[in-house]
This record gives sequence, structure tokens and C-alpha cells, in this order.
Amino acid sequence: DAGVTQSPTHLIKTRGQQVTLRCSPKSGHDTVSWYQQALGQGPQFIFQYYEEEERQRGNFPDRFSGHQFPNYSSELNVNALLLGDSALYLCASSTTMDYNEQFFGPGTRLTVL
Amino acid sequence: RKEVEQDPGPFNVPEGATVAFNCTYSNSASQSFFWYRQDCRKEPKLLMSVYSSGNEDGRFTAQLNRASQYISLLIRDSKLSDSATYLCAVNSGNTPLVFGKGTRLSVIA
Repeated sequence: DAGVTQSPTHLIKTRGQQVTLRCSPKSGHDTVSWYQQALGQGPQFIFQYYEEEERQRGNFPDRFSGHQFPNYSSELNVNALLLGDSALYLCASSTTMDYNEQFFGPGTRLTVL
Repeated sequence: RKEVEQDPGPFNVPEGATVAFNCTYSNSASQSFFWYRQDCRKEPKLLMSVYSSGNEDGRFTAQLNRASQYISLLIRDSKLSDSATYLCAVNSGNTPLVFGKGTRLSVIA
């Protein structure tokens, strides 16, 4: 049973560039949530996708956008990268918007230079 | 006041010791409470949910104090493999999890 997978594992970008991160949920899960975890901090909720729509959103600017595909996989896009966007980006999957039974993927470590 | 607060540590304890972490939350409407374990540069993994009556899983005991708005995690007979960061998370109804910054534990031989 495949768990949550994310790609790439590491990424280095420069300020002003754009980045796309990808997530495939655990088998049987239809909901994907994205979190940003800066060094020394806990994960912070970015947004959640269910039925190909953004259902809930945390306190992140519009530079952060996402998408969910019919197969439930998801992308996180960040435009106009800032140094402060350097973080571990975690994807978590669950069934039907249930935050209480989330499984996290290994994350993508983004470094912005 | 931050929504979820934890002592960042580090807690350095010898093998076999008992260690306890607390996590305070500010939203009195919080309904669900969790402890996650996160190893260095890895993803958080659910350690245990915290129930109103308290719950135990082997060497781990979690408790909830609604009156004082905190949850606790007790680890007995610490092992070297318990070294990690322990994150608490809370939510209210179907809202996103809010995490604390985590408490770092180092178990020393």
C-alpha cells in the first residue's frame, strides 16, 4: 500500500522564480492538504483540496496556489519566490476533508537563494 | 498569545528516564488533540491522539486538561530511539490542524 509521495525531494531556486511541487495521496484518500514548515517551526497550513477545489486556506498570500487532479494528486505552485519561502513543504492526505486522520508525505525541501 | 505553544527544549535525558512535555492551546473551542513525532529532516508521524479520559500506548501516556487548556505527553523508560521532536496539534471541528513548534528530545546513553 503506497503511502503519500512527493516530488521532488529537494529543490533549489532563486528569488523571483516560480516552483511547482507535486503530491500523490495515499491509496483510498481523496483529500490533500499542504503545509509549510520553516526551520524550527511547526507545520503551517497552506490550503486543502477536495473534489478538485480549494476548500480551506490558511494565512498565505496569493503567490501560493494549487491544483488537484481527477486522480486526487495535487500540485502546489509558488510564484515570485522570496528567501522566506525556504522551507519543508509537506503534503498530507486524508479521506473526505478529515484533518484528524492525515498522513504526511516525506516533504519537499525548497531552498531559495 | 500563540494558538499552540510548546517548550522547544531540548530535553536531554538519560536512557530509562521518564520525561513529560506539555502543550498549551488558546482556543477553548478546540476539540481534537494529537501528538506527532518528527525525526530530523523527516515528515511528522502521528504518535497518538489525545482523548478526554487520557490514553496510554505502551510507554507513552497522553492526557488532556480542558480546564487549564493543555495536553501532556509522558514517556516512560526512555529509549535512544525516542530522540526526536514531538509536535502537538489541535483543531476544532473540521478545521486545519494547528501545530506547536515542537519540543526536541535527546535521550542519552
